[in-house]
Amino acid sequence: SAVISQKPSRDICQRGTSLTIQCQVDSQVTMMFWYRQQPGQSLTLIATANQGSEATYESGFVIDKFPISRPNLTFSTLTVSNMSPEDSSIYLCSVCSSSGNTIYFGEGSWLTVV
Amino acid sequence: AQSVTQLGSHVSVSEGALVLLRCNYSSSVPPYLFWYVQYPNQGLQLLLKYTSAATLVKGINGFEAEFKKSETSFHLTKPSAHMSDAAEYFCAVSEEDATNKLIFGTGTLLAVQP
Repeated sequence: SAVISQKPSRDICQRGTSLTIQCQVDSQVTMMFWYRQQPGQSLTLIATANQGSEATYESGFVIDKFPISRPNLTFSTLTVSNMSPEDSSIYLCSVCSSSGNTIYFGEGSWLTVV
Repeated sequence: AQSVTQLGSHVSVSEGALVLLRCNYSSSVPPYLFWYVQYPNQGLQLLLKYTSAATLVKGINGFEAEFKKSETSFHLTKPSAHMSDAAEYFCAVSEEDATNKLIFGTGTLLAVQP
């Protein structure tokens, strides 16, 4: 299984500011994914981060609000820009196993915007 | 596109009783199905996965799930609940054209009464 580390694990941010979340994997993976889990809700895919190309965003998510970097095969960042209280969520990084049939998640970054 | 329905947002059982958490997917058979568990203030942990190898899948912590194509179901069971099983459980399916993208159900919060 993949070991996925996320930083920060928790943060409290002021509205209007931006926060960058880091995701580090212990092995090289082709695709990394960013999910959002709003309070009391299920998980929603934000985007797929591909190394060497721009991220692919799901409907309802845009690059200006959630810019993503993927500089190498073990690391990705998600920035939550110009935050509002509605952005208070858990943001989770995930990767696909080398066999392609298992998805692993990081511990999540718990973000509260005040 | 795939969809997932989890019946019962809250389920309460007594310690030692059978746990049954329901999950139904949309009519087309998804490539993979998963159950994840989220303990309070933690990220997602993979419980088990179905990848077409066997219809009855055994996972960690004594949980198992049976894939029933005729019922489009993938219900999660455990013969005897333990207090430590109290958590939120998410069923997820993969997209047919992107097997590493997951569609999540809305989750079921399991409470275990002493």
